[in-house]
Amino acid sequence: QKEVEQNSGPLSVPEGAIASLNCTYSDRGSQSFFWYRQYSGKSPELIMSIYSNGDKEDGRFTAQLNKASQYVSLLIRDSQPSDSATYLCAVRESGTYKYIFGTGTRLKVLA
Amino acid sequence: KAGVTQTPRYLIKTRGQQVTLSCSPISGHRSVSWYQQTPGQGLQFLFEYFSETQRNKGNFPGRFSGRQFSNSRSEMNVSTLELGDSALYLCASSLTPTPSYNEQFFGPGTRLTVL
Repeated sequence: QKEVEQNSGPLSVPEGAIASLNCTYSDRGSQSFFWYRQYSGKSPELIMSIYSNGDKEDGRFTAQLNKASQYVSLLIRDSQPSDSATYLCAVRESGTYKYIFGTGTRLKVLA
Repeated sequence: KAGVTQTPRYLIKTRGQQVTLSCSPISGHRSVSWYQQTPGQGLQFLFEYFSETQRNKGNFPGRFSGRQFSNSRSEMNVSTLELGDSALYLCASSLTPTPSYNEQFFGPGTRLTVL
């Protein structure tokens, strides 16, 4: 069973700080990685996708991928209370292309 | 462009009943996947449809079934409902299953409560 692992948190950071969310995956053949944000009672919303080793920046969000270490992370700069949510890491399984989701990290940004 | 739509948004059923949930993908999207989300198990993959054919299936009992129509709309059915089927059922669509970088977008979900 291929797995995606995340620390469940909560991860608490003060407003304006950098929040760092981490994810590891077991499928060495995976090529595509995604971060979703899910507010309580809502559905997941895609915020970042990354396919190549290195960093990808979009506004306050930076996704980082290291395929050799099977590790993907999401950095949120200048964290705001509105960033408080659960962040889900998703990996597309090699061969089937199914999405495998982690259980999510709950982020709390303290005003 | 309209997003993924799901109906109904909320359902209350009793044990033993069956239920049908509906999903309309983003216009132009032909791949539809279904997920079950519970607090204890997180997001669990149910099945994926593309061109009216089931491409992938998760580890759920046969009580869970689905189908896709020629217009890419999809339905999932749960027969003989059990208390443990209470969950948020999410539909997600993407252009096609491949290539792997195709992004997947979620609908608002259907909250099913089984009494």
